[in-house]
Amino acid sequence: QSALTQPRSMSGSPGQSVTISCTGTSSDVGTYNYVSWYQQHPGKAPKLIIYDVSKRPSGVPYRFSGSKSANTASLTISGLQAEDEADYYCWSYVGGYILVFGGGTKLTVL
Amino acid sequence: QVQLVQSGSELKTPGASVKVSCEASGYSFTSDVIHWVRQAPGQGLEWMGWINTNTGNPTYAQGFTGRFVFSLDTSVSTAYLQISSLKAEDTAVYYCAKNDGSSWSGDYWGQGTLVTVSS
Repeated sequence: QSALTQPRSMSGSPGQSVTISCTGTSSDVGTYNYVSWYQQHPGKAPKLIIYDVSKRPSGVPYRFSGSKSANTASLTISGLQAEDEADYYCWSYVGGYILVFGGGTKLTVL
Repeated sequence: QVQLVQSGSELKTPGASVKVSCEASGYSFTSDVIHWVRQAPGQGLEWMGWINTNTGNPTYAQGFTGRFVFSLDTSVSTAYLQISSLKAEDTAVYYCAKNDGSSWSGDYWGQGTLVTVSS
């Protein structure tokens, strides 16, 4: 099972919106609504910010939202803040009790 | 509150074995599966597999069969990752994560355990 495809890096200025994509295939992302997103700051454990494509865990700011179209899931961060600078990973169930991560996206807040 | 606390850093020589623990608290341990995730230095997250905490049945991702073993001790709400015949390329931070019972996602994570393999 290949890793899901994410852009290696993205950037945005404070207050702007950025959208990070996570592309799979019709057999994984396109079939299952079990895409989750994680934020990881340097030296820290990943933190769940979106699950089931678009659900937000308690305590995660409304600025974070998720969506999916065909074989691509997306994480949108609105009103970018300095503390949003981190690595972001998507993770999807791909069937057969197997999951796979995306390669990760390094987000820089300019 | 839900917590996953992992064992401390390990320094091992090539060919040795290591056992990483992940002690859970704040929820019913056998109600949610535990995932294991590897992160090599400067690299991304890599899913290693999961263990059913109710049955003890493990599922391993491609590339993590043979030398990698997931196990449990439900009496102390602890999951274990054992790696045998360690190689330099096993050097990484290893995370355990609790699965959200109604989904496929990791809602709580351990702090990570650094395993360094060096002669």
